[in-house]
Amino acid sequence: EAQLVQPSVEVKKPGESLRISCRESGYGLSPFWFGWVRQVPGRGLEWMALMSADSSDSRYSPSFPGRVTMSVDVSTRTAYLQWSSLETSDTAVYFCARRPSVTGSPFGAWGQGTLVSVSS
Amino acid sequence: QSALTQPRSVSGSPGQSVTIPCTGTSRDVGTYKFVSWYQQHPGKAPKLIIYDVNTRPSGVSDRFSGSKSGNTASLTISGLQAEDEADYYCCSYAGTQTPYVFGTGTTVTV
Repeated sequence: EAQLVQPSVEVKKPGESLRISCRESGYGLSPFWFGWVRQVPGRGLEWMALMSADSSDSRYSPSFPGRVTMSVDVSTRTAYLQWSSLETSDTAVYFCARRPSVTGSPFGAWGQGTLVSVSS
Repeated sequence: QSALTQPRSVSGSPGQSVTIPCTGTSRDVGTYKFVSWYQQHPGKAPKLIIYDVNTRPSGVSDRFSGSKSGNTASLTISGLQAEDEADYYCCSYAGTQTPYVFGTGTTVTV
C-alpha cells in the first residue's frame, strides 16, 4: 500500500530541538519531491518547505525564515523537518506531502500529520 | 507572498450547487494554470480534488469542478451531499521560489 508515514504526536518544551520524519513507501521509482505543510489548530494550510527526493534541490517559504531545516535520507526515502529551538508558536500539525517532479504539480499524497505540541 | 483569499464559509442544501471563489493576483492565479483544490475533513489530512485548474484525479467525484478567470479561480460542488461538509483550500503556483500559496480556506456546510 502506498503511504507516507509520520509519527502522530511529539511533545516538547520551549527551547528544545526536534526532528520529525515522513517515510515514503509503495509509490514506485519515478522522481518526486517531498513537501511540508503546517496547520495551526483552527487555522489554514501553510506551505513551509519542499525538497527533491534525491535531496539535490530545495525551496523554503519566505514565511518561515530560518525557523526550520528540511532534509531527505535518500536511502530510506524519508523526509525530515527540524527545529533547533522550538517556540510555543510552533504548536501545530505538520503534514508531509508528495508531488511529482514536474513543475507546478500538486501534492497528490499526504501523510496523516504530526501534532507538535510545545509547552512549558 | 500573501495567502489567496477565500470566503470563510458557504452553505447549501442537499442537491444544490455551491461555488467557492479563490482570489489571487497576477503573480500567482492570474499567471499560472497550476491551481489546485484540497478537501479536508476534521482531523484528517487534506485530499487533492482538483489540479491544473479543472482536472480531477482518478476517483474524485465529477460533482467537483474547477475554473479560472483572471486572478480568480473557483471550485463548484454540484449536487451537494452531506459528505461534502468539509474545509476546502485552493492553492496556486507562484513561481520557482514560491511553488505553493494556499488560500485562506472555506468551510462548506450542507
